[in-house]
Amino acid sequence: AQKVTQAQTEISVVEKEDVTLDCVYETRDTTYYLFWYKQPPSGELVFLIRRNSFDEQNEISGRYSWNFQKSTSSFNFTITASQVVDSAVYFCALSEGTSGSRLTFGEGTQLTVNP
Amino acid sequence: GAGVSQSPSNKVTEKGKDVELRCDPISGHTALYWYRQSLGQGLEFLIYFQGNSAPDKSGLPSDRFSAERTGGSVSTLTIQRTQQEDSAVYLCASSGTSGSNTGELFFGEGSRLTVL
Repeated sequence: AQKVTQAQTEISVVEKEDVTLDCVYETRDTTYYLFWYKQPPSGELVFLIRRNSFDEQNEISGRYSWNFQKSTSSFNFTITASQVVDSAVYFCALSEGTSGSRLTFGEGTQLTVNP
Repeated sequence: GAGVSQSPSNKVTEKGKDVELRCDPISGHTALYWYRQSLGQGLEFLIYFQGNSAPDKSGLPSDRFSAERTGGSVSTLTIQRTQQEDSAVYLCASSGTSGSNTGELFFGEGSRLTVL
């Protein structure tokens, strides 16, 4: 069975601080996909990134970066120079198989960025 | 519209009544998902439709829950004899076009169900 664990329930930082959101996953498949989604106060989940299990190259997109480490089954998300607009619930998710199917989500991390 | 559309956005019902929640996915998307999000909780998978294949119903919590997808497009989630623990936001998502399912889900804004 697949499982995603986000141990940090809530994180509070001050604007401009860097923050890392942790994600640890469990799966028996060798082929799988990892995702991060953002859920702002409006409620609609927004896709941020997708990685497949064969691509461990870290990725940077503006202030966002992701660190995928198969050896520790982790897919951590870092926001550099956080802003108030980054305040949201962030979900890590996992899907198994070669084509992507149902996603298993973690419990989410509530990030609050204070001015 | 361009996105996933759900209705109603809010539904208040009395315990024991049946409710229907509707999802209109992005045109051309072959996969459709229902998730449930209880207050302050993560997303709980309910059911997954992919094209003409039999749906994956493994997440439905009880036989009071059912869903159908007509014509490979619109889906309806039905909850019979609602209970207070059914109160949650029900999220619908769709993904993929034929031959290019990346697994990226596009979510609707959800239907908030309150059972009194």
